[in-house]
Amino acid sequence: DVKVTQSSRYLVKRTGEKVFLECVQDMDHENMFWYRQDPGLGLRLIYFSYDVKMKEKGDIPEGYSVSREKKERFSLILESASTNQTSMYLCASTVGAYNEQFFGPGTRLTVL
Amino acid sequence: QKEVEQDPGPLSVPEGAIVSLNCTYSNSAFQYFMWYRQYSRKGPELLMYTYSSGNKEDGRFTAQVDKSSKYISLFIRDSQPSDSATYLCAMRAGANNLFFGTGTRLTVIP
Repeated sequence: DVKVTQSSRYLVKRTGEKVFLECVQDMDHENMFWYRQDPGLGLRLIYFSYDVKMKEKGDIPEGYSVSREKKERFSLILESASTNQTSMYLCASTVGAYNEQFFGPGTRLTVL
Repeated sequence: QKEVEQDPGPLSVPEGAIVSLNCTYSNSAFQYFMWYRQYSRKGPELLMYTYSSGNKEDGRFTAQVDKSSKYISLFIRDSQPSDSATYLCAMRAGANNLFFGTGTRLTVIP
């Protein structure tokens, strides 16, 4: 079974803090994605990566950055957390462009 | 206009009922259609994956795609309390990123 894990299930941070969300997949997938999920808005793509050290902006990249130093790990960074970044963050991975995306359990981030 | 529209519900049905979940879309280039199920406090998991128009059946689940109407459906037969979850439709055009609906929350009452 494909396993996508995220470093924290719940996280509470203060406004202005730098926040790191980690995602690890164990199936040697090339492609990895970060989404945020908000009520009424669904899943929105923040960033994705098709290879190590490669990144592409999604639909809502402002206020976020990413890092992919190893194939299995994709990190989402909030440089200076703000209250409007309170959300559920979901990581996903896939092999190839046409295959299903496997999701992690999500990290519920609250910024106070 | 959103690329993908999905009624958020909530939808409550008695156990054993047939459930119909639907999405409409605006981009005629979409060819790959998916339904994900998301339990509370979990990540989405893929239920059904279809290409182009037609039906696909898997156990109690049937996915339908009508490209002429830009309309997709997921039917659940003999619904069970364990089917209570949020159902997300998703679609893509070729090797591009997924567009998701907002999800429909379903509750199956025993």
